[in-house]
Amino acid sequence: DGGITQSPKYLFRKEGQNVTLSCEQNLNHDAMYWYRQDPGQGLRLIYYSQIVNDFQKGDIAEGYSVSREKKESFPLTVTSAQKNPTAFYLCASSRTGTAAYSNQPQHFGDGTRLSIL
Amino acid sequence: SQQGEEDPQALSIQEGENATMNCSYKTSINNLQWYRQNSGRGLVHLILIRSNEREKHSGRLRVTLDTSKKSSSLLITASRAADTASYFCATESTSGTYKYIFGTGTRLKVLA
Repeated sequence: DGGITQSPKYLFRKEGQNVTLSCEQNLNHDAMYWYRQDPGQGLRLIYYSQIVNDFQKGDIAEGYSVSREKKESFPLTVTSAQKNPTAFYLCASSRTGTAAYSNQPQHFGDGTRLSIL
Repeated sequence: SQQGEEDPQALSIQEGENATMNCSYKTSINNLQWYRQNSGRGLVHLILIRSNEREKHSGRLRVTLDTSKKSSSLLITASRAADTASYFCATESTSGTYKYIFGTGTRLKVLA
């Protein structure tokens, strides 16, 4: 079945540690996204990528980094510079539309819950 | 602040009743989407409505869009216990570049 796989489901970070969240999709989508969700809140965009080897900062990129070396994969690293990393992280993908607009539904993984030890 | 604001924040109804939730946004949009999120899971896409459309239907779902008021509504008819979830609107603005902005969501509880 086609879909998005996020791993791990739960992750714990120690002080000063970088951690990497995995996101893999087999939907052949060009665009991929990372969101952060805090309790009782909506989603906030961290980074997004419309094509391999290219990505853009979202609204809350500070303390995070990404890479897009393969179409299928868009890993997110939460660095030690992110002082409040405890949250639910969601990865999504979509087809591309025009150069400017997606006009496409986003497909989501089941998330990674990150906590601080 | 969030582009989309859903109203109400929480809604509790009996099975078989209709549920209506609203979304307001601030800037011009290219399209608006509604998503459902079950507890602890990812979001599931429900429906997309473009800025030149006024109403769309999908099964028991009806979405309206009023661009003059910058608002949208999602109606779920004949609700079921399985509809219990959080519902989010997301807007893609006319500034483009594939950025979607999500609202804070409506938590719907359908009582059996």
